[in-house]
Amino acid sequence: NAGVTQTPKFRILKIGQSMTLQCTQDMNHNYMYWYRQDPGMGLKLIYYSVGAGITDKGEVPNGYNVSRSTTEDFPLRLELAAPSQTSVYFCASAPGLAGYNEQFFGPGTRLTVL
Amino acid sequence: AQSVTQLDSHVSVSEGTPVLLRCNYSSSYSPSLFWYVQHPNKGLQLLLKYTSAATLVKGINGFEAEFKKSETSFHLTKPSAHMSDAAEYFCVVTIKAAGNKLTFGGGTRVLVKP
Repeated sequence: NAGVTQTPKFRILKIGQSMTLQCTQDMNHNYMYWYRQDPGMGLKLIYYSVGAGITDKGEVPNGYNVSRSTTEDFPLRLELAAPSQTSVYFCASAPGLAGYNEQFFGPGTRLTVL
Repeated sequence: AQSVTQLDSHVSVSEGTPVLLRCNYSSSYSPSLFWYVQHPNKGLQLLLKYTSAATLVKGINGFEAEFKKSETSFHLTKPSAHMSDAAEYFCVVTIKAAGNKLTFGGGTRVLVKP
């Protein structure tokens, strides 16, 4: 089991560019999440999904979009990148509701927007 | 609403001495509480969780935490620090009424001196 994998590990974008952060899990988990972690801060939820075809906004969704066409994949799309989106992005998955099941995290994508 | 406060942003201990990481939470409902650890350039790993069973929770790598409802605290301890414990630790709360979304504390960075 690879667990949760994320690509790329690092990326530098120019203001206004777009990109997709990839996230894949091989544990057949229904729940998947995207978080961002700013320096010295805890993680904040961007978007989450409770299953293929179902997504919902988290705490900080502005400037991002997601899709969930399969159980395994949960890509995060940044349109018109801004310096405020410079952060480390973590994808996570869980078999059930977050409160009663451990979330499994990927290694993160470090994004810099210049 | 729910919130988490980690009372120390940095903790420095000597190898072999006890570790105490303090966490207070605020919640209108019975919470589930977690401690996660993040080693440098890695994703988050679950140390332990409290979900209304025993108030003293044992986790991996010798860590344990005690849920004290009267003090709204969930402090993490380890009797003897090891060099490999150097990492960032996050206290996390979730409640069913909030859709089981996780709320993270700001993190405590632990430095272990030889």
